[in-house]
Amino acid sequence: DGGITQSPKYLFRKEGQNVTLSCEQNLNHDAMYWYRQDPGQGLRLIYYSQIVNDFQKGDIAEGYSVSREKKESFPLTVTSAQKNPTAFYLCASSTRGYEQYFGPGTRLTVT
Amino acid sequence: GQNIDQPTEMTATEGAIVQINCTYQTSGFNGLFWYQQHAGEAPTFLSYNVLDGLEEKGRFSSFLSRSKGYSYLLLKELQMKDSASYLCAVPTDSWGKFQFGAGTQVVVTP
Repeated sequence: DGGITQSPKYLFRKEGQNVTLSCEQNLNHDAMYWYRQDPGQGLRLIYYSQIVNDFQKGDIAEGYSVSREKKESFPLTVTSAQKNPTAFYLCASSTRGYEQYFGPGTRLTVT
Repeated sequence: GQNIDQPTEMTATEGAIVQINCTYQTSGFNGLFWYQQHAGEAPTFLSYNVLDGLEEKGRFSSFLSRSKGYSYLLLKELQMKDSASYLCAVPTDSWGKFQFGAGTQVVVTP
């Protein structure tokens, strides 16, 4: 079955720690995206990548970092510089110009 | 960035019809996407309009007017499971980078 996986579903961290969220897809999509969603709000783009070894900042990249070493994988690191990291994080992928498919999401809580 | 407007919330009864409007600034990139998101879950793709007009897919239909920067999603024969947030999304580059609206929460009552 093709799809996008994100792990873990729930993640708890102490303030000041970096944390890496995983995103893997086997849809053979070139483009991958990371979004953040806060309660009652829409999706805000953090980073996106159109090809391997290349990525661009989205609208809210400060305090986050990514890598794209393989086509299938696009991990997101939430660093201690991110002021309000508690949120629902969604990874998506797409073929150029077509609909994005989303993973199940990771709910991060930082205390 | 793109300015996308959707109503915050709409309420309708089971079996009724609801129309969710979405207005946006035309970006030069074609098309508009609609997604459904149930509480606590990821968005799922509903429809894609690339040309003007109405696209029908079962109980759901979507309309686009590119020159007016206007779209709507029509939900017919509402069911309780249709209670969800509906997001419209507009491409902002040729690769498919999107700008999402804030979503419209549809509440279906018995």
